[in-house]
Amino acid sequence: DSGVTQTPKHLITATGQRVTLRCSPRSGDLSVYWYQQSLDQGLQFLIQYYNGEERAKGNILERFSAQQFPDLHSELNLSSLELGDSALYFCASSVGWGDNNEQFFGPGTRLTVL
Amino acid sequence: KNEVEQSPQNLTAQEGEFITINCSYSVGISALHWLQQHPGGGIVSLFMLSSGKKKHGRLIATINIQEKHSSLHITASHPRDSAVYICAVMGSNYKLTFGKGTLLTVNP
Repeated sequence: DSGVTQTPKHLITATGQRVTLRCSPRSGDLSVYWYQQSLDQGLQFLIQYYNGEERAKGNILERFSAQQFPDLHSELNLSSLELGDSALYFCASSVGWGDNNEQFFGPGTRLTVL
Repeated sequence: KNEVEQSPQNLTAQEGEFITINCSYSVGISALHWLQQHPGGGIVSLFMLSSGKKKHGRLIATINIQEKHSSLHITASHPRDSAVYICAVMGSNYKLTFGKGTLLTVNP
């Protein structure tokens, strides 16, 4: 158990819908990262927050948005869902940000868009 | 060409064998991560290194910055080591770029 929690574990929804994925980092960690893992693209970095502020942005679609709240939990919002958004979404956390920070991964949320 | 290339893609070994998984990258990096993903999806960070060598139990990770290459070794492999091993590099922008993974199967 990494100490990072993600809810829900599974989510099944329809095209065009909007969903929110939630992540709680390990106690004491200020950075939260979001990743998408699909069968064809593998793991891809989406976005990172540090202490409430966006620090780095990856291949995140405009239909997706995220934020980190004052209590440091983070939410990833996916809207106008398409079949291709079906994937595993992982959250990770670390103490700080930058190259000297080990990341601890949550169990993931499996999103299925029908 | 991907920025991070892993080899082999698939590896089958007998219990007890010494295993090596390779990772080559084409960009300048500040750190390299080795991750393990078991069936069912959970990801565990094994190593984070920026130079030299690290050892944890039966696992050893090495990196050669000049050659842009890293290896993950497993000594005395065991069926419970069966998993996907993923190499990821952190560039100067602090974003992780992932390899496609190596599926390791260790047979008893």
